[in-house]
Amino acid sequence: KQEVTQIPAALSVPEGENLVLNCSFTDSAIYNLQWFRQDPGKGLTSLLLIQSSQREQTSGRLNASLDKSSGRSTLYIAASQPGDSATYLCAVRRDNDMRFGAGTRLTVKP
Amino acid sequence: EAGVAQSPRYKIIEKRQSVAFWCNPISGHATLYWYQQILGQGPKLLIQFQNNGVVDDSQLPKDRFSAERLKGVDSTLKIQPAKLEDSAVYLCASSSDDGEKLFFGSGTQLSVL
Repeated sequence: KQEVTQIPAALSVPEGENLVLNCSFTDSAIYNLQWFRQDPGKGLTSLLLIQSSQREQTSGRLNASLDKSSGRSTLYIAASQPGDSATYLCAVRRDNDMRFGAGTRLTVKP
Repeated sequence: EAGVAQSPRYKIIEKRQSVAFWCNPISGHATLYWYQQILGQGPKLLIQFQNNGVVDDSQLPKDRFSAERLKGVDSTLKIQPAKLEDSAVYLCASSSDDGEKLFFGSGTQLSVL
């Protein structure tokens, strides 16, 4: 059974810092991995999707990497802004099964 | 493009009562998902539809939860009777044919007292 873990559970940084969020999974036989953002009281918004054959994806200040063999993914946020404050979740998919981590709650202080 | 619509946004009921949630996916999306997100946890899949057929309902507590997607568009999720542990946010999501990217609604926050 796939287990997805995100560390740390919460992170607080000053504005402008570069930061890394971690996601680990136990079964490396995945189809893809997605990073989502969730604002309080809202649904999830997909940020980046990495196919199992890819190593990384970039969108603006966000860069996600995937190391399938070690069961790890990282989300790198450059030059963090207060607007980046949210919970970030990763999810791994195999066939029809998508498993989510519990998320990292990020606070960026002005 | 309109997003995934869900209603109601909030619902407070007492245990043993029944409740229903409604979801309208993005137009043309064949796949619809219902997730349960308990506070502090990631979403857990309850049921997945492909058009109006069920693809996966292995984690749906069928003794109290039911869902339908008549005509392959809108969907309703029902809980009867509700328990205290059903307090959670119920998220609906849809995806296009390739099933790659999921689009989520804002969810329904359920409190069972």
